[in-house]
Amino acid sequence: GNSVTQMEGPVTLSEEAFLTINCTYTATGYPSLFWYVQYPGEGLQLLLKATKADDKGSNKGFEATYRKETTSFHLEKGSVQVSDSAVYFCALSVATSYGKLTFGQGTILTVHP
Amino acid sequence: SQTIHQWPATLVQPVGSPLSLECTVEGTSNPNLYWYRQAAGRGLQLLFYSVGIGQISSEVPQNLSASRPQDRQFILSSKKLLLSDSGFYLCAWSPRREGADTQYFGPGTRLTVL
Repeated sequence: GNSVTQMEGPVTLSEEAFLTINCTYTATGYPSLFWYVQYPGEGLQLLLKATKADDKGSNKGFEATYRKETTSFHLEKGSVQVSDSAVYFCALSVATSYGKLTFGQGTILTVHP
Repeated sequence: SQTIHQWPATLVQPVGSPLSLECTVEGTSNPNLYWYRQAAGRGLQLLFYSVGIGQISSEVPQNLSASRPQDRQFILSSKKLLLSDSGFYLCAWSPRREGADTQYFGPGTRLTVL
């Protein structure tokens, strides 16, 4: 079956620090990979995605590279802001699965001024 | 542009009472629709998905059911709520076309069962 494993949280950083949130996956087939973000009290928003090996998704200063050899899709940002405080979810979708997403457990990020 | 609505935004219900949560999508046709639950401190669990009117697939056995009476309407129901049904319920849609894989989420309904 399909599964996604994210690094344990919560993660607490100071503003302008470097962020890495690890994500690894197992999948039957060739998945698309996603990072979604959930701000307090809200639904999920797509942050970035990658659909094939070595693709790099990027948005709002965040980046993640689809690494097929290590089955990973780690999220990075060079300089976090207080406004980046949220829960981050790694997810995958396999083409034959009617678009169903398999999510990791989520990582809570808190950024202090 | 497409928008997705959920209501109510919050709900407090006693154990044993019925439940009906509604989700509607605007600005698209024939979407795939999904219901997820997010329990406190945990990730998202897919509950149901639908690829067309009247077509519902259940991902996990549970106390809930789903229906899709219209193309862009998705309803989550229960006849008798349990304490374990508390959580944050999210509806999502995705385009029904080959290669489409991104889901778009609604604002969610926070359900507390007492």
